[in-house]
Amino acid sequence: NAGVMQNPRHLVRRRGQEARLRCSPMKGHSHVYWYRQLPEEGLKFMVYLQKENIIDESGMPKERFSAEFPKEGPSILRIQQVVRGDSAAYFCASSPPYSYEQYFGPGTRLTVT
Amino acid sequence: GIQVEQSPPDLILQEGANSTLRCNFSDSVNNLQWFHQNPWGQLINLFYIPSGTKQNGRLSATTVATERYSLLYISSSQTTDSGVYFCAVVNGGSQGNLIFGKGTKLSVKP
Repeated sequence: NAGVMQNPRHLVRRRGQEARLRCSPMKGHSHVYWYRQLPEEGLKFMVYLQKENIIDESGMPKERFSAEFPKEGPSILRIQQVVRGDSAAYFCASSPPYSYEQYFGPGTRLTVT
Repeated sequence: GIQVEQSPPDLILQEGANSTLRCNFSDSVNNLQWFHQNPWGQLINLFYIPSGTKQNGRLSATTVATERYSLLYISSSQTTDSGVYFCAVVNGGSQGNLIFGKGTKLSVKP
């Protein structure tokens, strides 16, 4: 059973461009979470999704950030008009139904130049 | 919201030594997990332990939910144990998102 997959692993964007981060949960997992780790900081929750539904987006910045988890395909975290402060590691985690245990992907390291 | 505090913030050990890392949390939890973030940035699941005791090789963990703390024991430490250890909890009333502590940075010297 493959683990949580994220791509790309590294992403470089210029200020003002868009960043799209992808996450494929483990097989059988229907819950996806996104977390952000700023340099020298711990991990902060951003958004929790189930298929076609956003359950909790209380950790998402109000502007430029959006997330989706379509019926088919990976979950996408989209950052529009990136700024240098968006440079961070973005982790995706998934969990199966009726479980609180989360499994993390390897992360996407976003660098904004 | 729930507070998660880890101690010590930094720890330096000689290879072969044992250590105990602590995680205190301020409210009831549905989930508690320990992670190791290695020097390459990857998050490794160590334990899912909302209560009780578990062991995996040289590592073991104990959570006393009624007293709101968890301990991670590392025995016979190796240089590959270096990195940051995070404790994370799911608050009893939340939707399921993990709240992370600030971590314990462990350096094991040869």
